[in-house]
Amino acid sequence: QSVLTQPPSVSGAPGQRVTISCTGGSSNIGTVYDVHWYQHLPGTAPKLLIYGNSNRPSGVPDRFSGSKSGASASLAITGLQAEDEADYYCQSYDSSLSAYVFGTGTKVTVL
Amino acid sequence: EVELMESGGGLVQPGGSLRLSCVASGFPFSSYAMTWVRQAPGKGLEWVSGISGSGIGTYYADSAKGRFSISRDNSKKTLYLQMNSLRLEDAAVYYCAKGPRAIVAAEHFDYWGPGTLVVVSS
Repeated sequence: QSVLTQPPSVSGAPGQRVTISCTGGSSNIGTVYDVHWYQHLPGTAPKLLIYGNSNRPSGVPDRFSGSKSGASASLAITGLQAEDEADYYCQSYDSSLSAYVFGTGTKVTVL
Repeated sequence: EVELMESGGGLVQPGGSLRLSCVASGFPFSSYAMTWVRQAPGKGLEWVSGISGSGIGTYYADSAKGRFSISRDNSKKTLYLQMNSLRLEDAAVYYCAKGPRAIVAAEHFDYWGPGTLVVVSS
C-alpha cells in the first residue's frame, strides 16, 4: 500500500480554491526528499504539475501551486475550472524502501 | 516535442511472460533515465522499475525483483520491461516515464506515455 496519504476526494465550485494534502513520514517527505505532483485523467498520460515541492514546469498555469512543510506537502488549485477535474497524485522517494513512492490519489470534482 | 508510446500489453495467463516496449522521440534518449510505473484497476500509481541513461544502473520495486527485467536500446530509442512469472496482481496499465537526468535519482518524472494494458487471467 501507499506510504503517502492523500484525501480520497475534494470538491469545489468553479472559481474556488481547493487544497490537497500529502502526508508521509521520516523516511520520505519528512527528510531531504522533494515532493512532486501529477494530474491524471483516466486513459491518458499522467502530467507533471509541480516538481521540487513548488516548481511549475513550463506550460502549467500558475493556478497550481505546491508547498512542503515537515512530513507533509500540499497542492493548491485556485480559480478552479471544469478542466481541472482529474485525479491528483503526490510522489516522493522513500529511503527505507529504496523506491519511489506515490500518494493514494485524490479525485478533484468541480461542482 | 517529447513523445513516449508504450506497446506490448495484452492478455496473459498466470505464470506467463510478456515484454513491454516504450518508443521515445523528441529528446536525446540516451541522456535520460527512464522508468516504468503501473496502475492496477481502481488503484493508485506504483513505481515498478528504473534504468539510467546508459543502461548500466537498474532498479526495481520489491514487487518486481527477481521477476521483471528493465533494459533499453539507445540506438532504437526504446525502453523495455520483460515480465516473467506474472501474477494476478500484476494486472495493470503500465506507463513509461522519463526522468529529468541521466541518472536514476530521487526526482520526478517529467513526461509520461499513455500506457499499455496488461491483463493477467486464466
